[in-house]
Amino acid sequence: GQQVMQIPQYQHVQEGEDFTTYCNSSTTLSNIQWYKQRPGGHPVFLIQLVKSGEVKKQKRLTFQFGEAKKNSSLHITATQTTDVGTYFCAGISGTYKYIFGTGTRLKVLA
Amino acid sequence: AAGVIQSPRHLIKEKRETATLKCYPIPRHDTVYWYQQGPGQDPQFLISFYEKMQSDKGSIPDRFSAQQFSDYHSELNMSSLELGDSALYFCASSLSGYEQYFGPGTRLTVT
Repeated sequence: GQQVMQIPQYQHVQEGEDFTTYCNSSTTLSNIQWYKQRPGGHPVFLIQLVKSGEVKKQKRLTFQFGEAKKNSSLHITATQTTDVGTYFCAGISGTYKYIFGTGTRLKVLA
Repeated sequence: AAGVIQSPRHLIKEKRETATLKCYPIPRHDTVYWYQQGPGQDPQFLISFYEKMQSDKGSIPDRFSAQQFSDYHSELNMSSLELGDSALYFCASSLSGYEQYFGPGTRLTVT
């Protein structure tokens, strides 16, 4: 079946450093979504990318969708302690079926 | 703004018992999703409904069933519970498959 892998699994950074998580799908995706889940919380939608090569920015967050629509990345510039959490990508597989990536757990050290 | 409501928030059951989890989506959302998340794991897609009709199925055991009612609320029924069913169960809703709004989850513990 379809698999969505993310690397790294864990990342510890000093506050102010940059952070990037990569998402790779075994199949071509029609779109990809990104979510953030704080410890003890529920996933919160960040963004959806649809077009090949698409780049979207939200303040310090930059999202990219690969040209082949099989990979995506999330880059955070100058991390803050509020960025702590697990970042998931989710690729659509079917009409209303999303496969979540394995997640990257980010810790920011003050 | 209204959010997705899930009940109960916590549930403790014994092996072989049954459990029913409820989800009330955001008003006017037409799609409901159920996910299971084990400790330190990613959310695993179980099943989705679009306009009260089952849309997609994921890794949902045969012991589980779900439905969406005329008022759009959804229920996940779990029978013959096993220890491995202990997890956080999330319901999410969306409008036509766009961004999913997740509820706070139901933490199920099977003893």
